[in-house]
Amino acid sequence: RKEVEQDPGPFNVPEGATVAFNCTYSNSASQSFFWYRQDCRKEPKLLMSVYSSGNEDGRFTAQLNRASQYISLLIRDSKLSDSATYLCVVGDYNQGGKLIFGQGTELSVKP
Amino acid sequence: DAEITQSPRHKITETGRQVTLACHQTWNHNNMFWYRQDLGHGLRLIHYSYGVQDTNKGEVSDGYSVSRSNTEDLPLTLESAASSQTSVYFCASKPGGTGELFFGEGSRLTVL
Repeated sequence: RKEVEQDPGPFNVPEGATVAFNCTYSNSASQSFFWYRQDCRKEPKLLMSVYSSGNEDGRFTAQLNRASQYISLLIRDSKLSDSATYLCVVGDYNQGGKLIFGQGTELSVKP
Repeated sequence: DAEITQSPRHKITETGRQVTLACHQTWNHNNMFWYRQDLGHGLRLIHYSYGVQDTNKGEVSDGYSVSRSNTEDLPLTLESAASSQTSVYFCASKPGGTGELFFGEGSRLTVL
């Protein structure tokens, strides 16, 4: 079983749609959680950190369920510019803080 | 502005050759990482370092080595390149703790 698993997609949605990505992780000792965005094989960039209480940044909402070892990302009112691959990332301080990446979920937003 | 740079950005080499990919960051981050990215596998950790003279193996370290002689650089060496090492390689750095991971632009390596 992979340490971090995501549905690879692709998710094809129309502009304005709401789309949700899910991610599960296997290491119960994991302590830090992130969503990264990657465009067309360019370098990944941080989209948002994920906190236990859940957090929101504009159209993006991230949730963490430690009991189920599950992370989610919700994108509301999708824009064409949201088309990218979204990477779920999990870190463990007990392993020196190294970050483990899921394989990514591809999103394509169509006009 | 502080940054992280990789070189070369593109390289074609032959099986059996030694290849070194350079990574240089100017943020003075202690933590540096090398990942490879392949279709169907996402980003996989090759090696990482938490400071000068510190190196650690990641999940796919066979055939790769790194050295950390200063804070700014973490070169990745393929001792004897194999076709299975054809990939896009990303270097990254971050401050300690929960700091954001910053990536270089990637190095695309083709082994023929």
